[in-house]
Amino acid sequence: NAGVTQTPKFRILKIGQSMTLQCTQDMNHNYMYWYRQDPGMGLKLIYYSVGAGITDKGEVPNGYNVSRSTTEDFPLRLELAAPSQTSVYFCASTEVGLGEKLFFGSGTQLSVL
Amino acid sequence: QQQVKQSPQSLIVQKGGISIINCAYENTAFDYFPWYQQFPGKGPALLIAIRPDVSEKKEGRFTISFNKSAKQFSLHIMDSQPGDSATYFCAASTTSGTYKYIFGTGTRLKVLA
Repeated sequence: NAGVTQTPKFRILKIGQSMTLQCTQDMNHNYMYWYRQDPGMGLKLIYYSVGAGITDKGEVPNGYNVSRSTTEDFPLRLELAAPSQTSVYFCASTEVGLGEKLFFGSGTQLSVL
Repeated sequence: QQQVKQSPQSLIVQKGGISIINCAYENTAFDYFPWYQQFPGKGPALLIAIRPDVSEKKEGRFTISFNKSAKQFSLHIMDSQPGDSATYFCAASTTSGTYKYIFGTGTRLKVLA
């Protein structure tokens, strides 16, 4: 039982490049989330999903896209990377009946130069 | 109204002392208030949580105090240990079916040996 797995752990992008941050969970959770963490800013919700095929915007969705074709996977797509997207990205999941506990991955540290 | 304000930004405590971190919220619809603990290079992990129908919850050395009328809640770490050195985030959510959280900006705690 691996929990929430994020890949890659580190990535450096050039301005204008695109990439996909991968997130997969093996707990059969319906609810999945993408957060970004910036120093002194806490965790900001980018996108979330309440089940396969259903996604919605969070607090800071601009510059990102998501898809949820399966229960397990929730990839985050960055199109035309910008320096403002330099951050640590966390994927999380939960399910009804777990006391609203979020299970986080170990994060992806992204630098856009 | 969606913000959760957290203080202090950083805290240094002697081993055996009490660490206190405070949070305040505006949205009276919030009905679930967790604290997450994050070690360097790791994702946040749920530490303890409270609902507004109680004024205090204790789990081992960790206690949440909740003041509904003041819209404030705090984390108390008794007998603080060097292993408690981490970043702590308060959060708030409405248990309305999406389990979306608003996180505070974080407190970096250092416990001196």
